Amino acid sequence: ILNVEQSPQSLHVQEGDSTNFTCSFPSSNFYALHWYRWETAKSPEALFVMTLNGDEKKKGRISATLNTKEGYSYLYIKGSQPEDSATYLCAFLIQGAQKLVFGQGTRLTINP
Amino acid sequence: DVKVTQSSRYLVKRTGEKVFLECVQDMDHENMFWYRQDPGLGLRLIYFSYDVKMKEKGDIPEGYSVSREKKERFSLILESASTNQTSMYLCASSQQGTLTGQPQHFGDGTRLSIL
Repeated sequence: ILNVEQSPQSLHVQEGDSTNFTCSFPSSNFYALHWYRWETAKSPEALFVMTLNGDEKKKGRISATLNTKEGYSYLYIKGSQPEDSATYLCAFLIQGAQKLVFGQGTRLTINP
Repeated sequence: DVKVTQSSRYLVKRTGEKVFLECVQDMDHENMFWYRQDPGLGLRLIYFSYDVKMKEKGDIPEGYSVSREKKERFSLILESASTNQTSMYLCASSQQGTLTGQPQHFGDGTRLSIL
């Protein structure tokens, strides 16, 4: 059974602070890793699709890194703002599979 | 922008009823997915489809069926609703090619309560 673990499960951060959290996945047969942001009362929104070891992607104040050999990805948020409050989901795809396996998410709350 | 529309945001049904959840996407995507989300668990895949009239079981298909008669529409059917199917249901779509190398686009979700 494939297991994707996200840590921490929840996080409270002061506005203006930077933060990061982790997605761990099986390191064998890697194909792709997705990050999504899910704000309350909205639909999950794709942030990044990462496929190469060492990949780094950036979208505004949010960036992500990927280490496929050790099976982890970090998501970083620089200078957190209240609008960053959301649940951040990662999802893993192995070669030959046709479906994503999601982690349970990291719920981020930014305190003003 | 891709729009994935789910027919209801909130739905309340009774045990034993047959329940239909509808999902429509407007970007001609080949792939469509149904997930459920429960507290403390990640999104779990119920069924997916990569073409009209094609369907594949996900991780938790028991108690559900699906229908994809047209490319833009993917329906989830609860054959005989039970209380353990109370959940948030999310529909998603994505382009073909590298099946899941493309990001998925989600609807707003249907919060279904079975009484």
